[in-house]
Amino acid sequence: NAGVTQTPKFQVLKTGQSMTLQCAQDMNHEYMSWYRQDPGMGLRLIHYSVGAGITDQGEVPNGYNVSRSTTEDFPLRLLSAAPSQTSVYFCASSLGDTQYFGPGTRLTVL
Amino acid sequence: GENVEQHPSTLSVQEGDSAVIKCTYSDSASNYFPWYKQELGKGPQLIIDIRSNVGEKKDQRIAVTLNKTAKHFSLHITETQPEDSAVYFCAASGGNTPLVFGKGTRLSVIA
Repeated sequence: NAGVTQTPKFQVLKTGQSMTLQCAQDMNHEYMSWYRQDPGMGLRLIHYSVGAGITDQGEVPNGYNVSRSTTEDFPLRLLSAAPSQTSVYFCASSLGDTQYFGPGTRLTVL
Repeated sequence: GENVEQHPSTLSVQEGDSAVIKCTYSDSASNYFPWYKQELGKGPQLIIDIRSNVGEKKDQRIAVTLNKTAKHFSLHITETQPEDSAVYFCAASGGNTPLVFGKGTRLSVIA
């Protein structure tokens, strides 16, 4: 199993650009989620999904969109990037309560 | 909603000493309390968890205790080693609610 994979590892955007952060898991987990990690702020939930076709907002959803068309994939879209979205983004999938995290994407918005 | 407070934010210990990290939570409905370790440049990894029907759980040098009445839980690492140096996160959730994380503790083990 590859576990949870994320692409790209690093990304630099200009303000106003759009992009999609990819997340995939091969463990057949129903629950998937996106977090952002900022210095001194811990891990904050952006969006999550309890299964294909179902998504919900977390603590900090503004500026981000998600969709879940398959069990394996859970992409995170930034429609118009802002400097405040500079962060490290982690995708996770869950079997029961145990969350498995991907390696992260470091995003810089100039 | 749930709020998780974690202390201290940084912790330095001598190799071989014990380290203790404490967390408090606000929602009495929370019943699952995991601890994650994050090494530099990597995603968090579950190291131990505890559920509200258990007061203490041990796994080799790591233990977690839970006081439901006081709404706090703690991570104890004994005989610390340099490879224990990392950022540690506590979290809490209840039933079908998402995990809420503390802000993390940076542990440095000095050889």
